[in-house]
Amino acid sequence: NAGVTQTPKFRVLKTGQSMTLLCAQDMNHEYMYWYRQDPGMGLRLIHYSVGEGTTAKGEVPDGYNVSRLKKQNFLLGLESAAPSQTSVYFCASSYGIHKTQYFGPGTRLLVL
Amino acid sequence: EDQVTQSPEALRLQEGESSSLNCSYTVSGLRGLFWYRQDPGKGPEFLFTLYSAGEEKEKERLKATLTKKESFLHITAPKPEDSATYLCAVSYNNAGNMLTFGGGTRLMVKP
Repeated sequence: NAGVTQTPKFRVLKTGQSMTLLCAQDMNHEYMYWYRQDPGMGLRLIHYSVGEGTTAKGEVPDGYNVSRLKKQNFLLGLESAAPSQTSVYFCASSYGIHKTQYFGPGTRLLVL
Repeated sequence: EDQVTQSPEALRLQEGESSSLNCSYTVSGLRGLFWYRQDPGKGPEFLFTLYSAGEEKEKERLKATLTKKESFLHITAPKPEDSATYLCAVSYNNAGNMLTFGGGTRLMVKP
């Protein structure tokens, strides 16, 4: 039982490049989330999904898109990366609303 | 304004020196309070979930308690391996699916 996994672990992008971060969970959770963590800002919600085929905006959604084609996977896309998107990205999943969220190991992204 | 505040920001303890971390919140309609541990370069690791005032949960040297305004994470006889950043987060009625996180307490336990 791997829990929540994320790929890649680390990535360097140039401004304007695109990439997709992959999150996978094997706990059969309905809810999945993408957060970013920045020094002094804490963890902030980017987008979330309450089930396969659904997505919704969180606190800081601009510049990101997401897709949930399969229940176990949640993808975070950056269409045109900017230096302000340099951050550590965490995926999480939960059984339902107001329930414990379980986090993945994170993806460190550097945009030059 | 809905807020979650953790104190202190940093705490240095000697091995065996018990202490408490505080998480105070000003939200209405609390649905859950969550404690996580985060080691450098890793994701938050779940510790406890508390749902109602008066609830307590324990795990090894850690004990979490909840009142209507705050939560405490008590650390009894800490060891160097307890060194980490401890995060608390709340879920509440007006926040929908969002967790609101505090800024964390960085705990350092010296042998």
